Amino acid sequence: EVQLVQSGAEVKKPGATVKISCKVSGYTFTDYYMHWVQQAPGKGLEWMGLVDPEDGETIYAEKFQGRVTITADTSTDTAYMELSSLRSEDTAVYYCATAGRQWELPEDYWGQGTLVTVSS
Amino acid sequence: DIQMTQSPSSLSASVGDRVTITCRASQGIRNDLGWYQQKPGKAPKRLIYAASSLQSGVPSRFSGSGSGTEFTLTISSLQPEDFATYYCLQHNSFPYTFGQGTKLEIK
Repeated sequence: EVQLVQSGAEVKKPGATVKISCKVSGYTFTDYYMHWVQQAPGKGLEWMGLVDPEDGETIYAEKFQGRVTITADTSTDTAYMELSSLRSEDTAVYYCATAGRQWELPEDYWGQGTLVTVSS
Repeated sequence: DIQMTQSPSSLSASVGDRVTITCRASQGIRNDLGWYQQKPGKAPKRLIYAASSLQSGVPSRFSGSGSGTEFTLTISSLQPEDFATYYCLQHNSFPYTFGQGTKLEIK
């Protein structure tokens, strides 16, 4: 059974950095890209970027470029999303998700979400 | 970037109704589109992949159609558990983009 288990909720001050983890099991970690999606309270879904765990290559949405770093640790089958220079607008639930290399799989898999609250 | 324009943004309907939600892509995306259902406090759940294929375990009252720039999600007979927010997602090119969402409410 494929599982993506994310780390717990975080509270951060403006200007700080948050790093969220997503530990996978049930498939070969390097076979699929890992994506991250942001959802602000009461708002829609926004794709942030991805990492290819096989070689560490990343692609980021322009909105987050320069503030987001997505990495993959193949020794622990864990992906990470780090967001820096936090501001109140970054208060959101962050999801990791995968559906293959080109989102082509007939099954997709999501973490349970991690709430990040940015508040002074 | 490919813009996904989803309509309507909200919809009031009754149990048993047939409803249709539309996503329009700003450029052709072949059939690289999925439809998602999201309930409060939960991760999105995919209903349809490749524009028209039903994800395993999803009731057959859900269907998807379209290719290129115009896509629809149809629920043939609404059930109480279908009241939720629905999103389309294009995965044809980066950055992947979601539609703005359609909140389906009980009339």
